[in-house]
Amino acid sequence: DAKTTQPTSMDCAEGRAANLPCNHSTISGNEYVYWYRQIHSQGPQYIIHGLKNNETNEMASLIITEDRKSSTLILPHATLRDTAVYYCIVRGLSGAGSYQLTFGKGTKLSVIP
Amino acid sequence: GAVVSQHPSWVICKSGTSVKIECRSLDFQATTMFWYRQFPKQSLMLMATSNEGSKATYEQGVEKDKFLINHASLTLSTLTVTSAHPEDSSFYICSARKGASYEKLFFGSGTQLSVL
Repeated sequence: DAKTTQPTSMDCAEGRAANLPCNHSTISGNEYVYWYRQIHSQGPQYIIHGLKNNETNEMASLIITEDRKSSTLILPHATLRDTAVYYCIVRGLSGAGSYQLTFGKGTKLSVIP
Repeated sequence: GAVVSQHPSWVICKSGTSVKIECRSLDFQATTMFWYRQFPKQSLMLMATSNEGSKATYEQGVEKDKFLINHASLTLSTLTVTSAHPEDSSFYICSARKGASYEKLFFGSGTQLSVL
């Protein structure tokens, strides 16, 4: 799987949009961009994933650049409960080891009242 | 939905004893389950992959005789930490693959193990 680079930490004011960047310059054509988050002392929670097109669901939006070398996770209206470590993961869905999720250090998002 | 239940949430045990952690998929069949370990302020590290009815595949550096994994049914996988030592104290998390697709993996809530 391609490696990802994320900022170590970010702050966001409650009610504002949180934009979490991720660089994945070595991503290959069949690899997806996944986002998970981990609230303290809990298991990771799936947020969203995408291949090329931008994606949106009830939790967040995922914006992937045209060259697919970077992406941004957007939480449109951050709440205190969104405080967590956010992991950007690149993985394929076929081939040996494709099922594995390799977690990096992620971004510690702190939502501030 | 896709709910993965992990039990217990936390456990304290004496050094030298064994501890069993259960991971259940409540509303789906999980042909593959994964076990992770997470030390404080570190990221999750994959320990092993278990497929229902077959032996688990362990990652490099993980002792299979110390961390026994059983996946006897499509809804239950167990991790037993044998002869636990203080350095085994960690947060253990399971995840499960729903159906044939690896598209989404769902995680349990984790088990905090403290070995005295």
